[in-house]
Amino acid sequence: AQSVTQLDSQVPVFEEAPVELRCNYSSSVSVYLFWYVQYPNQGLQLLLKYLSGSTLVESINGFEAEFNKSQTSFHLRKPSVHISDTAEYFCAVSDLGGGFKTIFGAGTRLFVKA
Amino acid sequence: KAGVTQTPRYLIKTRGQQVTLSCSPISGHRSVSWYQQTPGQGLQFLFEYFSETQRNKGNFPGRFSGRQFSNSRSEMNVSTLELGDSALYLCASSLDGGMNYGYTFGSGTRLTVV
Repeated sequence: AQSVTQLDSQVPVFEEAPVELRCNYSSSVSVYLFWYVQYPNQGLQLLLKYLSGSTLVESINGFEAEFNKSQTSFHLRKPSVHISDTAEYFCAVSDLGGGFKTIFGAGTRLFVKA
Repeated sequence: KAGVTQTPRYLIKTRGQQVTLSCSPISGHRSVSWYQQTPGQGLQFLFEYFSETQRNKGNFPGRFSGRQFSNSRSEMNVSTLELGDSALYLCASSLDGGMNYGYTFGSGTRLTVV
């Protein structure tokens, strides 16, 4: 069965500092991996996704994530964060055996301080 | 193009009542998934519909049900409401059940049961 573990529930960081949000997954088959972001009082927005090919994927706002099959990880990174990056970030996994269902991690709340 | 529309945005109901939530997906998307989001449990998968057929269902009691219409709009119903049903209910629209393209989420319906 699929599962997703986000290792940090909250990550405080100063503006312009780098950040890494950690995500590990378990699945018995090939997976599709996603990061979503949720701003207060809104739904989730797709940030980036890994389907196949290059293990490093990037978003338009400077985030990147690297798929590591041997460590079953998909950590999210940004070299320099802004106040506006304050939000909750969810790692998610789906696979062909899951039957059109995506499993989400518990979320990591990123708090960027001035 | 228009995003995913969920109505109503907020709802207050009394224990024992029933409630119906509505979701209009992005035009052209035939898959609609529903999730329950709570602070303690995160996002929990309720069910997924594609072309009026339920393809997958999560581990929720039978009080939770849904349906999809020929225009892809979807409704979910919760009967005999309990205090624990208080949550943000999110609708997610996709081309393929969220597998390759990910989801586009609505802003959610916040249900409070008193």
